[in-house]
Amino acid sequence: QEQLVESGGGVVQPGGSLRLSCAASGFTFKKYAMHWVRQAPGKGLDWVAFMSYDGGSVYYADSVEGRFTISRDNSKDTLYLQMNNLRLEDTAVYHCARGLSSSQQVWGQGTPVTVSS
Amino acid sequence: EIVMTQSPATLSVSPGERVPLSCRASQSVGRNLAWYQQKPGQTPRLLIFGASTRPTGVPARFSGSESGAEFTLTISSLQSEDLGVYYCQQYNSWPYTFGQGTKLEI
Repeated sequence: QEQLVESGGGVVQPGGSLRLSCAASGFTFKKYAMHWVRQAPGKGLDWVAFMSYDGGSVYYADSVEGRFTISRDNSKDTLYLQMNNLRLEDTAVYHCARGLSSSQQVWGQGTPVTVSS
Repeated sequence: EIVMTQSPATLSVSPGERVPLSCRASQSVGRNLAWYQQKPGQTPRLLIFGASTRPTGVPARFSGSESGAEFTLTISSLQSEDLGVYYCQQYNSWPYTFGQGTKLEI
């Protein structure tokens, strides 16, 4: 069964940092590009970041460029999102997802991030 | 950044009704558009990709069409389980962007 499981969310003060992880199982992780997508409470979907299967290409939403860093360790079947200088508006559930440009999509259930003073 | 605009924001519907949902792109995205359904507490479910292709397992009552920069998701005969929020998403250029969603409610 193809599965993505996020972890690492929590409560952090503005300006703080968090590192999210996304563990993949049931498929060959190193063959797939991956994304992070977030959803603020009661709001819509917000694409955050992309990394190609080999890490050679990365893209970010303008709102997180320079603050967030996506990375992956294909030997550990894990995707990461390092989030620095967090803002109140970064509060959301963060999902990792595979295949947002294809029919072969898999979404994780997400990990909540709350930025609050 | 390509802005995806969905209309209406909320739509009151009845079972059996034919329901068209609209999504307009601020610039060309070709046919690189997907539609999702999201129910409370669940992750998004892919309904349509490539503007009009249904993945395996998606009921035939869901169909997608495209006319220039205007995209439409049509539910031919609404079922009660179809209530939720529907999003469009372009994957033609970076950054990928979602529409703000259309909520179907009774």
